[in-house]
Amino acid sequence: DQQVKQNSPSLSVQEGRISILNCDYTNSMFDYFLWYKKYPAEGPTFLISISSIKDKNEDGRFTVFLNKSAKHLSLHIVPSQPGDSAVYFCAASENGSSNTGKLIFGQGTTLQVKP
Amino acid sequence: DTAVSQTPKYLVTQMGNDKSIKCEQNLGHDTMYWYKQDSKKFLKIMFSYNNKELIINETVPNRFSPKSPDKAHLNLHINSLELGDSAVYFCASSQGLGQGKSKNIQYFGAGTRLSVL
Repeated sequence: DQQVKQNSPSLSVQEGRISILNCDYTNSMFDYFLWYKKYPAEGPTFLISISSIKDKNEDGRFTVFLNKSAKHLSLHIVPSQPGDSAVYFCAASENGSSNTGKLIFGQGTTLQVKP
Repeated sequence: DTAVSQTPKYLVTQMGNDKSIKCEQNLGHDTMYWYKQDSKKFLKIMFSYNNKELIINETVPNRFSPKSPDKAHLNLHINSLELGDSAVYFCASSQGLGQGKSKNIQYFGAGTRLSVL
């Protein structure tokens, strides 16, 4: 039972345009969400995060939007650059009294930015 | 100076063998994790340790045994390797447990690609 889903396995955009990566979750107890970026033969690296008390967080070219009612979040990259080509993972955690630090990951979306 | 380092990067071995993967972090973090990325690319948590204490033990076969000699190290020992153990194993660490951005962000090593023949 996948609690975090990234339904688009791949996305291709032109350099300079906007990239929108989507993520859906089913567990309403998730209260913190993260996006990770992964290059081949490397580990995932943290990109941007958002708490469930917010609906938007921006960091440079990267913005994450959270729609709690729809249990949906998205990552916007504007403008997209060829160096952004990587696999992007959405992850979620549940911070309660029994916080274990456990992150639930989606299956990833491969982004290709064409020059 | 790598923050989370794991060795070896590649491991090729025969079925039935016992092998270990080592992980070290120099970030001063309290919590460390092991994840498995299978052929379908899902990243799934296996274990986590906080201050050398086991916190998470997902439904992992008991052939897998984590060992944390100190806060900076979390090693993974695998007995009687099976074909299905072939995967990429990632070690990660975080500042600790609790709410807030700093506690939630996990930093990953580059992975160990295990191939069982």
